[in-house]
Amino acid sequence: DGGITQSPKYLFRKEGQNVTLSCEQNLNHDAMYWYRQDPGQGLRLIYYSQIVNDFQKGDIAEGYSVSREKKESFPLTVTSAQKNPTAFYLCASSITRDRVYNEQFFGPGTRLTVL
Amino acid sequence: GQNIDQPTEMTATEGAIVQINCTYQTSGFNGLFWYQQHAGEAPTFLSYNVLDGLEEKGRFSSFLSRSKGYSYLLLKELQMKDSASYLCAVHMFSGGYNKLIFGAGTRLAVHP
Repeated sequence: DGGITQSPKYLFRKEGQNVTLSCEQNLNHDAMYWYRQDPGQGLRLIYYSQIVNDFQKGDIAEGYSVSREKKESFPLTVTSAQKNPTAFYLCASSITRDRVYNEQFFGPGTRLTVL
Repeated sequence: GQNIDQPTEMTATEGAIVQINCTYQTSGFNGLFWYQQHAGEAPTFLSYNVLDGLEEKGRFSSFLSRSKGYSYLLLKELQMKDSASYLCAVHMFSGGYNKLIFGAGTRLAVHP
């Protein structure tokens, strides 16, 4: 089965700790994205990547970091510099980096709670 | 800046029709997506419009007017399982990169 996996589903961390959220896809998609969703709000773009070893900051990149060493993987690190890290984090991928149809497919999400 | 507006909440009755509106003001436009998201789950694709007009797909239809910066999602024969959030997203291509800009979503509650 092709798809996007995120692990874990629920994550608890103490304030001041860095934490890395996993995102893996076996869809052979070029582009991958990280979003944050807060209660009652839409998706806000954190980082995105269209090819291996390249990534761009989204609208709310402060306090986050990413890497794209493999096409299949796009891990997100939530650092202690992120002031309000408690949120629902969604990873997505899309087939192409060209200026065409850009449907994004989403993973199941990770709910991060910082205590 | 980019601005996408949707109503925050709507309610409707099972079996009825509901229209969810989306207006946008963005610096670029390559198409408009509608996604459905049940609470605590991932968004799933519903529809895509790039040209003006109506796209119909079963009980769901989506309309786009590029000149007015306006789209709507029409849900017919509502079922209880349609209770979810509906997200409008504009596809932009800028500086060689694709992005989707999402609205805040419309929470739809379907009542018996």
